[in-house]
Amino acid sequence: AQKITQTQPGMFVQEKEAVTLDCTYDTSDQSYGLFWYKQPSSGEMIFLIYQGSYDEQNATEGRYSLNFQKARKSANLVISASQLGDSAMYFCAMRILNTGFQKLVFGTGTRLLVSP
Amino acid sequence: DVKVTQSSRYLVKRTGEKVFLECVQDMDHENMFWYRQDPGLGLRLIYFSYDVKMKEKGDIPEGYSVSREKKERFSLILESASTNQTSMYLCASKGRGTYEQYFGPGTRLTVT
Repeated sequence: AQKITQTQPGMFVQEKEAVTLDCTYDTSDQSYGLFWYKQPSSGEMIFLIYQGSYDEQNATEGRYSLNFQKARKSANLVISASQLGDSAMYFCAMRILNTGFQKLVFGTGTRLLVSP
Repeated sequence: DVKVTQSSRYLVKRTGEKVFLECVQDMDHENMFWYRQDPGLGLRLIYFSYDVKMKEKGDIPEGYSVSREKKERFSLILESASTNQTSMYLCASKGRGTYEQYFGPGTRLTVT
């Protein structure tokens, strides 16, 4: 079964420090993609970063980087230099093929709280 | 900028009512999705559509139906709302050949 696991319900970090949010996945597909989304308290889901299964380098987008370890089936999000505005829910998701259509499978999320 | 809008941010309905949740995107995307989000469960796919008048069931379609008469609009219908359908509903859209899904702001539905 294709599944995303986020084992950290909540994380705390001080402003300006780096934080790693964990994500492991389970799939038998050779071709897949991994996403991270941020959901502030306002509710909208904001796309942060994407990693394809065949990408050789770890994806980076500004302060966000994805630590992709294919053999361990992990896709952790690293946020460098945390800011107060980073406080939000963070969801890891995997793109899979199902009945010929692509869909996303989401983890249960990690709530990040950044303190001054 | 891609824009996905949903008709209501908050909605309160009574058990047994027929409920329509509307979603509109302005990027000419072929694919549209409806998810529900519950604490501890993440987002779960209810239905998706890959073209006008085409639809596919997601992981939890029971109690829901959808309609896509125009490319930009995707409606989620609760034929007879029940209290276990109290949830946050999120709509998303995606262009053909791309990976990223763009989400609307969500509708928090309460069924009493």
